[in-house]
Amino acid sequence: AQTVTQSQPEMSVQEAETVTLSCTYDTSENNYYLFWYKQPPSRQMILVIRQEAYKQQNATENRFSVNFQKAAKSFSLKISDSQLGDTAMYFCAFMKPNSGNTPLVFGKGTRLSVIA
Amino acid sequence: EPEVTQTPSHQVTQMGQEVILRCVPISNHLYFYWYRQILGQKVEFLVSFYNNEISEKSEIFDDQFSVERPDGSNFTLKIRSTKLEDSAMYFCATGRDSQETQYFGPGTRLLVL
Repeated sequence: AQTVTQSQPEMSVQEAETVTLSCTYDTSENNYYLFWYKQPPSRQMILVIRQEAYKQQNATENRFSVNFQKAAKSFSLKISDSQLGDTAMYFCAFMKPNSGNTPLVFGKGTRLSVIA
Repeated sequence: EPEVTQTPSHQVTQMGQEVILRCVPISNHLYFYWYRQILGQKVEFLVSFYNNEISEKSEIFDDQFSVERPDGSNFTLKIRSTKLEDSAMYFCATGRDSQETQYFGPGTRLLVL
């Protein structure tokens, strides 16, 4: 079974600074998908970024980028120019491709606080 | 931009009562999921649904739970006899195909007293 580990329960960053959230996972699959979801205080789950394991290029989405290290099974999220609205829980998630519905496997999350 | 919607946003119920949580998927999405998140804990998979049948379910999804898509639009999760430990946020998620990103609804916060 796949597992996802987020070793940082809480982090804080000054506004406009850069912060990196860590995620590691365990799988025997060669092809899979990785995601970061953001959960603000409203508790809605919002997709931040997605990475396909077969792609060597790291995904980027505006101020958000990932450092995907397949051999190390590491998938960290970098937030540049942090904004107060980035304050949220961040969940790393793994999905194994399959012919049918495949559930997401989530880590326990990292609570990020952006400080003015 | 199309969104997944869920009703109700909050529900309070007495232990032993039945609850039905509703989800309206994004219109061209065919793959449906329910997840739950107990307060302060991680998001856990409950069940996935495609072509009017369950594709996969977790050990949490016992006989007290059921899902259906009664009218081709709503996707529902029913808990027959709620327990205190069913108190959680329940998220519906949908995807266009099995390889695609899952988009989450805003959740239903269920409190069982």
